[in-house]
Order: sequence, then structure tokens, then C-alpha cells
Amino acid sequence: KQEVTQIPAALSVPEGENLVLNCSFTDSAIYNLQWFRQDPGKGLTSLLLIQSSQREQTSGRLNASLDKSSGRSTLYIAASQPGDSATYLCAVRPLPAGANNLFFGTGTRLTVIP
Amino acid sequence: KAGVTQTPRYLIKTRGQQVTLSCSPISGHRSVSWYQQTPGQGLQFLFEYFSETQRNKGNFPGRFSGRQFSNSRSEMNVSTLELGDSALYLCASSLVSGGTGELFFGEGSRLTVL
Repeated sequence: KQEVTQIPAALSVPEGENLVLNCSFTDSAIYNLQWFRQDPGKGLTSLLLIQSSQREQTSGRLNASLDKSSGRSTLYIAASQPGDSATYLCAVRPLPAGANNLFFGTGTRLTVIP
Repeated sequence: KAGVTQTPRYLIKTRGQQVTLSCSPISGHRSVSWYQQTPGQGLQFLFEYFSETQRNKGNFPGRFSGRQFSNSRSEMNVSTLELGDSALYLCASSLVSGGTGELFFGEGSRLTVL
């Protein structure tokens, strides 16, 4: 069974710092990987989707990379802002990609201190 | 373009009762997936519906069921509620089932079982 791990579980950084969030998965047979953010008591907001054939995706200050063979993905946030404070979750879609059953990590709770 | 709408947002039930949650996907999306989020287990896949057919089902007891209507709106039902069913139930909408489909989540329905 696919297991997805995110380390660290919590992270506090001063405003303006660049940071990296990590996601690892045990089975490299994935179709794609998606990063989400979740604000307290809210739903999930999709940040980036990386197909298994891609190495990275970028959106604004966010850059996500994928190394499928080693079972790792990273989310890089540049010039962090207090508004980035949230829980960040990664999720993998396993092969065969016949449905939308994603396996989620446990999340990294990020706090950006003004 | 309206996002994914879930109702009700909050509800309180007692053990033994049943509950029905509703999800309206993004216009044009035909896939609706349901997830349960708890502090202990994180996000877990319940089931997915596509074109009124259940595509996949997670490892949950038969008390959890769902359906999808011709307009793609979906409902999930939990019968004979237990304390452990207290959770945030999230619905995700996607244009397609599986493949490159990106998932978009609603705000969730928070269920408390007393």
C-alpha cells in the first residue's frame, strides 16, 4: 500500500525566508502528484500538479519538483509571507490511474512570522 | 466560475442517527470524490462517482454510501453513526476520472457525533 510522508510536521520561519517542504512516497508507480494548501477549518486549495513525466512545475513564488525514481517531491516557496501560513499537503495518484483515489501525506504546518 | 459547494457546512448528530451530505461540483465536471479527514488518520479516500457510477471505493464499512445524480451532484450517506465518524468530509470535483485530472476541493462538511 502506498504511504506518503511529509517532514517536518511543523515549520516556523521569519517572513522573507525561502523554504522547502518535503514529501516522500513508498511506491514509485504513480501517475501524478499534487500539492495542496489547507487553511484551518477549510477545504483544500490546489497549488501545483506534476505529471510523472515532468520534473517540475512553477506557479508564482511556488516551485514543485518530482523525482519519481527516488520517491520524493519538494515544494519550494520563495520569499515567504505571513499569508503563506497554512498546512501543506502532498498527494499521489497511483497507477493504474483509473480513478481519483489519491493518497495523502500527513501535512506540514507552516507558520511565517512577520 | 463557481467552485465546489458542500452543504451543510457544520452539523451535529448523535450516535445511531444517519446523515446525508451534499456536494455540487464545478460546472462541467463529471467526477466527484469523497474524502474523510480526521486528526488521527489524515485524509482518506471514501469513494468516487463518475457519470452516476461508482468508480472506486476506499476501505470503509458499508455504513458509508453515496450516489450521483444526472446533473453530477453527489450525496454521501452515513448510517448508524459512531463517535469515530466525527470528521471533516471533503468533496473533490474533477473534469475526468483518473488520468491527468486535477482535483478541486470544497470547503467540507464538519460532522460532530455526540
